[in-house]
Amino acid sequence: DGGITQSPKYLFRKEGQNVTLSCEQNLNHDAMYWYRQDPGQGLRLIYYSQIVNDFQKGDIAEGYSVSREKKESFPLTVTSAQKNPTAFYLCASSTPGRGDTEAFFGQGTRLTVV
Amino acid sequence: AQSVSQHNHHVILSEAASLELGCNYSYGGTVNLFWYVQYPGQHLQLLLKYFSGDPLVKGIKGFEAEFIKSKFSFNLRKPSVQWSDTAEYFCAVNRAGSARQLTFGSGTQLTVLP
Repeated sequence: DGGITQSPKYLFRKEGQNVTLSCEQNLNHDAMYWYRQDPGQGLRLIYYSQIVNDFQKGDIAEGYSVSREKKESFPLTVTSAQKNPTAFYLCASSTPGRGDTEAFFGQGTRLTVV
Repeated sequence: AQSVSQHNHHVILSEAASLELGCNYSYGGTVNLFWYVQYPGQHLQLLLKYFSGDPLVKGIKGFEAEFIKSKFSFNLRKPSVQWSDTAEYFCAVNRAGSARQLTFGSGTQLTVLP
């Protein structure tokens, strides 16, 4: 089955540590996105990538980093510089090359800083 | 920059009641519009989408939405809700033709009482 796989589902991190969230897709989509979901704030864009080896900052990129070395993979690193990292993180992908299409989402990773 | 407003943060209805969730966006150009739903413990799913054509869009599970360009609105409706419709609903927009990332509203939590 085609889809987006995020791992792990739950992640705990100590303050001051970096942590990397995995996102893999087998939909052959060119574009991938990372969103952060907080109660009452909807989804906010962290980073996005339209093509391999290229990515852009979204609305709340501070304290995060990404890489896009392969089309299928778009890992997100939450660094110690992120002041409030506890949140639900969603990865998505789409096919911008085909014009107007919707984004597909993974099941998310819930990160808790302890 | 575009933005999306969902004015209802939490809606509580009894089964068989009619539903209308408001969504307004702020962008003067041509847009694509989406409603996503997130059932408890599940990933974000597309409910319906509008790209062009008939402004009344029908989606899955009996939902529909009407695009009113003059009001910058894309309200979601369902004539008779069921307990299984309990979920969080997100309106989203992106700029047509550019295959850009989605901008989400803050979400509306719908609780349907049996």
